[in-house]
Amino acid sequence: KQEVTQIPAALSVPEGENLVLNCSFTDSAIYNLQWFRQDPGKGLTSLLLIQSSQREQTSGRLNASLDKSSGRSTLYIAASQPGDSATYLCAVASETSGSRLTFGEGTQLTVNP
Amino acid sequence: DAMVIQNPRYQVTQFGKPVTLSCSQTLNHNVMYWYQQKSSQAPKLLFHYYDKDFNNEADTPDNFQSRRPNTSFCFLDIRSPGLGDAAMYLCATSRDRGPVRNEQFFGPGTRLTVL
Repeated sequence: KQEVTQIPAALSVPEGENLVLNCSFTDSAIYNLQWFRQDPGKGLTSLLLIQSSQREQTSGRLNASLDKSSGRSTLYIAASQPGDSATYLCAVASETSGSRLTFGEGTQLTVNP
Repeated sequence: DAMVIQNPRYQVTQFGKPVTLSCSQTLNHNVMYWYQQKSSQAPKLLFHYYDKDFNNEADTPDNFQSRRPNTSFCFLDIRSPGLGDAAMYLCATSRDRGPVRNEQFFGPGTRLTVL
């Protein structure tokens, strides 16, 4: 059974800092991995999707990497801003679960002005 | 420009009073999902529709049911809400299942309060 872990559970940084959020998964037989952002009381916004054949994806100040063999992904946020404050969730679609996503519990990010 | 729409955004119901949550999509995606998310927890998949094919998760309580009358709409029915059913309910869609075209797009969620 796929399990997804995100470390740290919470992170507080000053504005302008570059930061890395971590995601690990136990079953490397994945189709892809998605990173989401969730603001308090809101739905999930898809940030990046990395297919299992890819090593990284970039969107603006965000860069996500995938090391399938070691069961790890990182989300790099450059030059963080207070508007980046949110909970970041990673989710994997495993070969054994079809389109079902297995979510981590998220990293709550606070960027202080 | 909204792609996945959920109504209402906030729903208050009484213990045991049936409630229906609504989701619609303009993406023409084949797959629609319902998740339950409790405070500070990961979303939990309740069920999904692949076209008209209903797929229930093994641990989804019988209290939860769903309908998909057409491609665009999907409903979540909670027959007898209990206090433990208070949560955020998220609807999502994907073009397809399997290894490709399965990126999921989420709606804004419905916050359910049970009194």
